[in-house]
Amino acid sequence: AQKVTQAQTEISVVEKEDVTLDCVYETRDTTYYLFWYKQPPSGELVFLIRRNSFDEQNEISGRYSWNFQKSTSSFNFTITASQVVDSAVYFCALSGDTGGFKTIFGAGTRLFVKA
Amino acid sequence: DTEVTQTPKHLVMGMTNKKSLKCEQHMGHRAMYWYKQKAKKPPELMFVYSYEKLSINESVPSRFSPECPNSSLLNLHLHALQPEDSALYLCASSQVGTRNSDEHYFGPGTRLTVT
Repeated sequence: AQKVTQAQTEISVVEKEDVTLDCVYETRDTTYYLFWYKQPPSGELVFLIRRNSFDEQNEISGRYSWNFQKSTSSFNFTITASQVVDSAVYFCALSGDTGGFKTIFGAGTRLFVKA
Repeated sequence: DTEVTQTPKHLVMGMTNKKSLKCEQHMGHRAMYWYKQKAKKPPELMFVYSYEKLSINESVPSRFSPECPNSSLLNLHLHALQPEDSALYLCASSQVGTRNSDEHYFGPGTRLTVT
């Protein structure tokens, strides 16, 4: 069975603080894909990043960075120097070969960034 | 054009009404999805269409009836809904209809209220 756990339900930070959102996954697939999506208050989910199981290289995109560690089954997301516009719900998601087209979403972490 | 559009944005319907939700994408994507999202929960997969054919139905009640008239359009026909069906209905698409490695592109959603 596949599972994604986002243990942090809500996080509140002050602007310019760094914040890390945790994601732990479970899968028996050898080949799988991990994603992060952002859902601002407007409701539309926005794709942020995809990682496949064979690529453990960390990635940085502006203020966003991702740390993929297969040894701990984690795919954590860090926002550096957070801004009010980062306030949203962030979902970590997983799809694997045995799941067909089904993407498993974590419960989400609601991030509040205060000015 | 990297956009998925959904109409209407808001819908209020009675339990005896028949209505339809519409989704459109012009990115040449061959997989399209319907998700249901309740407040403070992750999206739940309802249906997946791959190359205009229904490939996944997540045991959704028959009062929800999907239709994929062509590769760009996806409809969700609603009939005899219950108040507990009130939710945000999200449409999504992904590039290739036969692999699970592709990220989803989501529409803004239709917020449905059943009275």
